[in-house]
Amino acid sequence: SAVISQKPSRDICQRGTSLTIQCQVDSQVTMMFWYRQQPGQSLTLIATANQGSEATYESGFVIDKFPISRPNLTFSTLTVSNMSPEDSSIYLCSVDRADYGYTFGSGTRLTVV
Amino acid sequence: DAKTTQPPSMDCAEGRAANLPCNHSTISGNEYVYWYRQIHSQGPQYIIHGLKNNETNEMASLIITEDRKSSTLILPHATLRDTAVYYCIVSERHGNKLVFGAGTILRVKS
Repeated sequence: SAVISQKPSRDICQRGTSLTIQCQVDSQVTMMFWYRQQPGQSLTLIATANQGSEATYESGFVIDKFPISRPNLTFSTLTVSNMSPEDSSIYLCSVDRADYGYTFGSGTRLTVV
Repeated sequence: DAKTTQPPSMDCAEGRAANLPCNHSTISGNEYVYWYRQIHSQGPQYIIHGLKNNETNEMASLIITEDRKSSTLILPHATLRDTAVYYCIVSERHGNKLVFGAGTILRVKS
């Protein structure tokens, strides 16, 4: 079963700056998923990241704001660019564990001030 | 949009069975029913999934109606640590995105 390490676990950032979140999986996976959870809300899918191709973004999310890298089958990064207080959320990555459902990282709690 | 409907909240007494309902009337033939839970400040945790038949594992049981339009997650002996938001999700198997609805807040009380 896959184990996900997500870093940083939390950060406080100044508006206008960018933060890159890392997601490391202990086994090779085809697809990785990035979610956002705004305060008091459910999870919203940002994009799906495949190795060797451009990420697929959901409606309302654009590559300029949330660039994603997927350099190999065990690693991905999500960058939150030009941050504003509205970007304050928990960001989570997820992978498919086949017969055991999807595994989620512990999340990155981002506060933009 | 989420394809499922769940009650916003439920209470359950500690040690009793918690029965969480979910409606998914538009489920298609190749979609599975997944259940996840999210304990405060943690990432969602997989509980169980099923297609047609009832399923049971060490955490819970999943009862799916014959027409597959609804299901019930059963936690047989709820504990305080089961207090969480429970999400019912329908999705095709493997590699498909999960669309989360609002979920059900389950409060287990002593």
